Amino acid sequence: EPEVTQTPSHQVTQMGQEVILRCVPISNHLYFYWYRQILGQKVEFLVSFYNNEISEKSEIFDDQFSVERPDGSNFTLKIRSTKLEDSAMYFCASIGSAERPTGELFFGEGSRLTVL
Amino acid sequence: AQTVTQSQPEMSVQEAETVTLSCTYDTSESDYYLFWYKQPPSRQMILVIRQEAYKQQNATENRFSVNFQKAAKSFSLKISDSQLGDAAMYFCAYSAANFGNEKLTFGTGTRLTIIP
Repeated sequence: EPEVTQTPSHQVTQMGQEVILRCVPISNHLYFYWYRQILGQKVEFLVSFYNNEISEKSEIFDDQFSVERPDGSNFTLKIRSTKLEDSAMYFCASIGSAERPTGELFFGEGSRLTVL
Repeated sequence: AQTVTQSQPEMSVQEAETVTLSCTYDTSESDYYLFWYKQPPSRQMILVIRQEAYKQQNATENRFSVNFQKAAKSFSLKISDSQLGDAAMYFCAYSAANFGNEKLTFGTGTRLTIIP
């Protein structure tokens, strides 16, 4: 069964360092998302991406965050200068045209980011 | 703005018994989708069940069923014949039924423990 894959599964970084989290969405999907889950808290929307541009972003998604789809398969989330409060689990999700009427997103297993 | 509230941070149930997880939401939209996602310790969020707001009939998927009360903005999940594999965090989520906006708004989650 097709799935969304994310790498790395866990990354530890020093505060102020740049981090890139990678996602490979399901191959025929066209709409991509990043969500964040701080430990013990709810899952929060960060950004949606379609046709090589951001469709919508939340207040969390400030100038230190960026997304891109560099090669038609990977979908990346970059955090330019990490802060302690960026420590969280980051989930990538995608949806295809066939699934859009249902609103069902397909999630990856997440990348845990720990900022020291 | 849409909000989703799960008032039970933790629930436990005896194996083979039935448990109901509560969820309420707030929206001014008339058409939308509601979801229950399961997040086991393996971290990946998996769709359990989905309800379209325009459908009066409650959705059912095998041992999982919902009680959708649109007027009350309530969307509870019933798990029958609970199994050890049902142990997980359960998130209630809302999505507006707009093409181009499959953004999910999540509740804070309910941790379900199955007692053998």
